[in-house]
Amino acid sequence: SQTIHQWPATLVQPVGSPLSLECTVEGTSNPNLYWYRQAAGRGLQLLFYSVGIGQISSEVPQNLSASRPQDRQFILSSKKLLLSDSGFYLCAWSKGQAGANVLTFGAGSRLTVL
Amino acid sequence: GQQVMQIPQYQHVQEGEDFTTYCNSSTTLSNIQWYKQRPGGHPVFLIQLVKSGEVKKQKRLTFQFGEAKKNSSLHITATQTTDVGTYFCAGERSYNTDKLIFGTGTRLQVFP
Repeated sequence: SQTIHQWPATLVQPVGSPLSLECTVEGTSNPNLYWYRQAAGRGLQLLFYSVGIGQISSEVPQNLSASRPQDRQFILSSKKLLLSDSGFYLCAWSKGQAGANVLTFGAGSRLTVL
Repeated sequence: GQQVMQIPQYQHVQEGEDFTTYCNSSTTLSNIQWYKQRPGGHPVFLIQLVKSGEVKKQKRLTFQFGEAKKNSSLHITATQTTDVGTYFCAGERSYNTDKLIFGTGTRLQVFP
């Protein structure tokens, strides 16, 4: 069966510090991978998605970047965090099949920038 | 850009009462999905609707996809405290099936 791992689960970072969140998927190959952000009490904002190794689509101009160095690994990074980067970051994967693009989410990474 | 709005934003009900959340898209969707996020948790897939006018049921939950494939609803009959959470709809557009556009969500609170 497929599983998705996301870490760290929580982190507190000072403004201006770097960020690296990692997500890996097991039990499938060539998945679509996604990074979402959820501000407190708000909806899900799509940040990046990837349909293959090295292929990254950015949805919103921001202080973040994403990379997919391996088929089942998706990394969210920042060189210098801003206060507004605080939030709940969710990684997700799907089979990428049109009409059946169901997302399975990781447990999330809760980031607080102070 | 495309937006998917949900109403209401919040709903507080007494246990046993019914609950409905509505999802409206500015553009036609190829299909729609519903997810539930428990407090402190991550969204979990509930169901997908594909056909115009489609209705699906999961125990006390009834999902409907509008005839024009631009709106959807989730109805919960006789709510229970286990129904607490935020319900999101998410639409897939026919011209870009690589990503879902999530609705704004409806947070449901059920009082015993």
